[in-house]
Amino acid sequence: EPEVTQTPSHQVTQMGQEVILRCVPISNHLYFYWYRQILGQKVEFLVSFYNNEISEKSEIFDDQFSVERPDGSNFTLKIRSTKLEDSAMYFCASSYDLGTGRETQYFGPGTRLLVL
Amino acid sequence: RKEVEQDPGPFNVPEGATVAFNCTYSNSASQSFFWYRQDCRKEPKLLMSVYSSGNEDGRFTAQLNRASQYISLLIRDSKLSDSATYLCAVRTGGFKTIFGAGTRLFVKA
Repeated sequence: EPEVTQTPSHQVTQMGQEVILRCVPISNHLYFYWYRQILGQKVEFLVSFYNNEISEKSEIFDDQFSVERPDGSNFTLKIRSTKLEDSAMYFCASSYDLGTGRETQYFGPGTRLLVL
Repeated sequence: RKEVEQDPGPFNVPEGATVAFNCTYSNSASQSFFWYRQDCRKEPKLLMSVYSSGNEDGRFTAQLNRASQYISLLIRDSKLSDSATYLCAVRTGGFKTIFGAGTRLFVKA
């Protein structure tokens, strides 16, 4: 069964450093997403991406964040200058839009980011 | 009011029990509804989408009440392997999925 993959599985960084989280969505999917989950809290939507542009973003997704699809397979989330509160599990997801709004979003295993 | 609110839990039930989870959502324009399962420190996995007519998948039954803005999940004949956190999720047009905080279920032998 095709799956979303993410690298690295864990990342430790110093406050103020830039991090890039990588995702390989399912190959025929057209929509890509990033979510985060702070330990013990709910899963929160960050951004959705379609046709090489952001289609929707949350208030969490400020100027510190950016997304990119640098080639035909990778989808990245960059945090420019990490803060302690960016420590969380970051999930990538992808879906193949059938236009129904009910399409399944498949989640990757996540990258656990720890900012020291 | 929270956008998506779930029963606080945790629910501790014996094997074989029937357990029901409830979820309410605040935006009446919400269009798509889902139940996800999340194991500790893992990604959410779709359990089932929730349709207006209600739907069933084996031991799992989901119901939607648009008038009351309420979604439910019923698990019959609970197994030890059902122990997890169950997340209610709602989509309002667009592609932004809003998750509830989750309800933890412990099924004991």
